[in-house]
Amino acid sequence: GAVVSQHPSRVICKSGTSVKIECRSLDFQATTMFWYRQFPKQSLMLMATSNEGSKATYEQGVEKDKFLINHASLTLSTLTVTSAHPEDSSFYICSARWGETDTQYFGPGTRLTVL
Amino acid sequence: GIQVEQSPPDLILQEGANSTLRCNFSDSVNNLQWFHQNPWGQLINLFYIPSGTKQNGRLSATTVATERYSLLYISSSQTTDSGVYFCAVEDSNYQLIWGAGTKLIIKP
Repeated sequence: GAVVSQHPSRVICKSGTSVKIECRSLDFQATTMFWYRQFPKQSLMLMATSNEGSKATYEQGVEKDKFLINHASLTLSTLTVTSAHPEDSSFYICSARWGETDTQYFGPGTRLTVL
Repeated sequence: GIQVEQSPPDLILQEGANSTLRCNFSDSVNNLQWFHQNPWGQLINLFYIPSGTKQNGRLSATTVATERYSLLYISSSQTTDSGVYFCAVEDSNYQLIWGAGTKLIIKP
């Protein structure tokens, strides 16, 4: 089956620093990648949708200057949390799909802790 | 937008028991998926099931699209089945709308 990886799996950083999370589709070309955020004991919340070579579409309430998304190739998307604060601590999950009607495949997630 | 409701929110069972998880949705959908999120956070696709019944080992799922619900059956539960089970439906824009999940704990 399709495999999506995320790196790092866990990151701890100081308040005010920026953190970059990578999402890679390992065995298929992903025309679309999605970034989700999950708070403890809650469901996934879609943050943004990114299509290769174009700007990401952010969901209402998600600050695009805070969460920078780059989808530079068909196998890589990055999420950068800029000037991170403790309230940004969360579990971030990416997913990828190759066609509009195809299923999404999920990465293992990245647990971000901001001190 | 489409609303997705899952029940029960929590379920505690002894190893070997059977269980049924339910997912109701409020409008017509392109597709429906069941996921298992393990204790480490990894989401695993269980079923991609817009309608009908599918089986995979001890797990099976049935979606009745006309009545807007889906059921996930787990038979002979094992401790490794513990985790959160999510139902997600695809709306007309092929985006996933998630239920709140059912947290399943299987005790040895």
